[in-house]
Amino acid sequence: DTGVSQDPRHKITKRGQNVTFRCDPISEHNRLYWYRQTLGQGPEFLTYFQNEAQLEKSRLLSDRFSAERPKGSFSTLEIQRTEQGDSAMYLCASSDGLLSNQPQHFGDGTRLSIL
Amino acid sequence: AQTVTQSQPEMSVQEAETVTLSCTYDTSESNYYLFWYKQPPSRQMILVIRQEAYKQQNATENRFSVNFQKAAKSFSLKISDSQLGDTAMYFCASGEHYGGSQGNLIFGKGTKLSVKP
Repeated sequence: DTGVSQDPRHKITKRGQNVTFRCDPISEHNRLYWYRQTLGQGPEFLTYFQNEAQLEKSRLLSDRFSAERPKGSFSTLEIQRTEQGDSAMYLCASSDGLLSNQPQHFGDGTRLSIL
Repeated sequence: AQTVTQSQPEMSVQEAETVTLSCTYDTSESNYYLFWYKQPPSRQMILVIRQEAYKQQNATENRFSVNFQKAAKSFSLKISDSQLGDTAMYFCASGEHYGGSQGNLIFGKGTKLSVKP
């Protein structure tokens, strides 16, 4: 069990640029979740996948955000035309969705800073 | 909609003593789970303990135990024999279940716990 892996750990970019983050879940997990955490707050749900299907999206996920999980393994989260308010930690988690009592396992996160 | 409230932004405890972190939640679902996660400074969020709502017995994991009061929608975490390594942000979270599968988690704002030597 290598855990949930996220890349990059840190991303600094100028306002208006596009950024993409990657998440590799625990290999046997079919559920993958994205959360956003701002300083001093708890994580807020963005979206989740069951295999390659995106099952739910939060209203926090504006049109500038898109997430994919093309082969049901790794996932990418893209933010287009970044804004100052996008600065946050982006967390990925995975779980075995077929077992209802299994917890979500989190990655280290990608910290995004918008200049 | 689900909500989770942690009313204690910060707490401190002396090493080896016991501390209780509070959490209240609100949900209209009958089938849900409750969790406590720990997030050490600049480190990964890890699961501390979980509780199935349909179980009356309070969950325990070594030095960690919960007091689950379903009618009051309260879910507190007790840490016994506190250790320096317990210093972290603690998040209470609830997760609803649809058709036997887990959905997204709703987190509280967290409680920053400091264990003092």
